[in-house]
Amino acid sequence: EPEVTQTPSHQVTQMGQEVILRCVPISNHLYFYWYRQILGQKVEFLVSFYNNEISEKSEIFDDQFSVERPDGSNFTLKIRSTKLEDSAMYFCASSDQLAGGPYEQYFGPGTRLTVT
Amino acid sequence: TQLLEQSPQFLSIQEGENLTVYCNSSSVFSSLQWYRQEPGEGPVLLVTVVTGGEVKKLKRLTFQFGDARKDSSLHITAAQPGDTGLYLCAGEGKKSSGDKLTFGTGTRLAVRP
Repeated sequence: EPEVTQTPSHQVTQMGQEVILRCVPISNHLYFYWYRQILGQKVEFLVSFYNNEISEKSEIFDDQFSVERPDGSNFTLKIRSTKLEDSAMYFCASSDQLAGGPYEQYFGPGTRLTVT
Repeated sequence: TQLLEQSPQFLSIQEGENLTVYCNSSSVFSSLQWYRQEPGEGPVLLVTVVTGGEVKKLKRLTFQFGDARKDSSLHITAAQPGDTGLYLCAGEGKKSSGDKLTFGTGTRLAVRP
């Protein structure tokens, strides 16, 4: 069964460093998302991406964040200068529209980012 | 801002018991998705409900979308230890394009053998 994959599974970085989180969405999906989940808290939306541009972003997704689809398979999230409060699980998701219906989002296993 | 409140937050029951988890909002959603999340893993999609009043069954799990599409419930019959996990509801606001999901607060279920 097709699945979303993410690398690395765990990333430890120092405050102020740049990190790139990578995702391979399900191959025939057209919509891509990043969410994050701080330990013990709700899953929060960061950004959605369609047709090579950002569709929507949350207040969390400030100038330190960027997304890119560098080729036909990868979808990346870059944090330019990490802060302690960026420590969280980051989930990539992808979706496509069911015939006349909703967009079911399928999530990857996540990348645990620890900023020290 | 759309918010989804789930209740109860925690539930510990004996194997074989039935339970219901509620997901409530003051906002209307175009669809609502239920996920299950294991510790350290991503949410796994269980079901999507779209139409007000819709009922979907997945083995011992029954999902219902409220008539006004503002609330949903998950009922588990004869719970088993394998049902243990975090259950999340998530609402999709718009129907016209792939829209963000607003996640609920989650219900952590523990089923004791």
